[in-house]
Amino acid sequence: GAGVSQSPSNKVTEKGKDVELRCDPISGHTALYWYRQSLGQGLEFLIYFQGNSAPDKSGLPSDRFSAERTGGSVSTLTIQRTQQEDSAVYLCASSPGVNTGELFFGEGSRLTVL
Amino acid sequence: DAKTTQPNSMESNEEEPVHLPCNHSTISGTDYIHWYRQLPSQGPEYVIHGLTSNVNNRMASLAIAEDRKSSTLILHRATLRDAAVYYCILVLSSGSARQLTFGSGTQLTVLP
Repeated sequence: GAGVSQSPSNKVTEKGKDVELRCDPISGHTALYWYRQSLGQGLEFLIYFQGNSAPDKSGLPSDRFSAERTGGSVSTLTIQRTQQEDSAVYLCASSPGVNTGELFFGEGSRLTVL
Repeated sequence: DAKTTQPNSMESNEEEPVHLPCNHSTISGTDYIHWYRQLPSQGPEYVIHGLTSNVNNRMASLAIAEDRKSSTLILHRATLRDAAVYYCILVLSSGSARQLTFGSGTQLTVLP
């Protein structure tokens, strides 16, 4: 597909379990972002990857959260020992990496922690 | 970090123009002004961006104040499909990393 693809679209898990969320960015886009959005709230920045540079992890809320980007393409956001406050929509976005700031967002992965 | 201020909500009648304001009084000289919108149950969608001059595209127009401390997104004829949360954001640059900081946006309601 031409757009940013995220999976799963919905995930229900029990408190304490680990979850992995996947993002396939647009082909050729060097920049990749993860955000999360709690119900009725704005977007909260989590992490940013740009090419081969060290990622900007300044938005990760705790050490239970981590993300990888393999081969400069697919990214996985991992949440360990999930808590109820982790329930949110996790959005991935990619951009060409040139300083345009135009992001292309996926549909998001809705995480519900029971 | 430069931040933006937007009204929480606005209403418009269908087929009338809508002017969505944004204040960014601490904007720096090289920050771009971007607008995104988010329709219900979807990811945000890019609308338009600019630096100093007014900009037009097929979706909207962006009017930027001369001192760049504020801007206005203009939808020339609102439709029901334009009902969304509109975010005004600044492109920040910090060393080798860059992140876009989204505020709470303006919820636009379009009345038939």
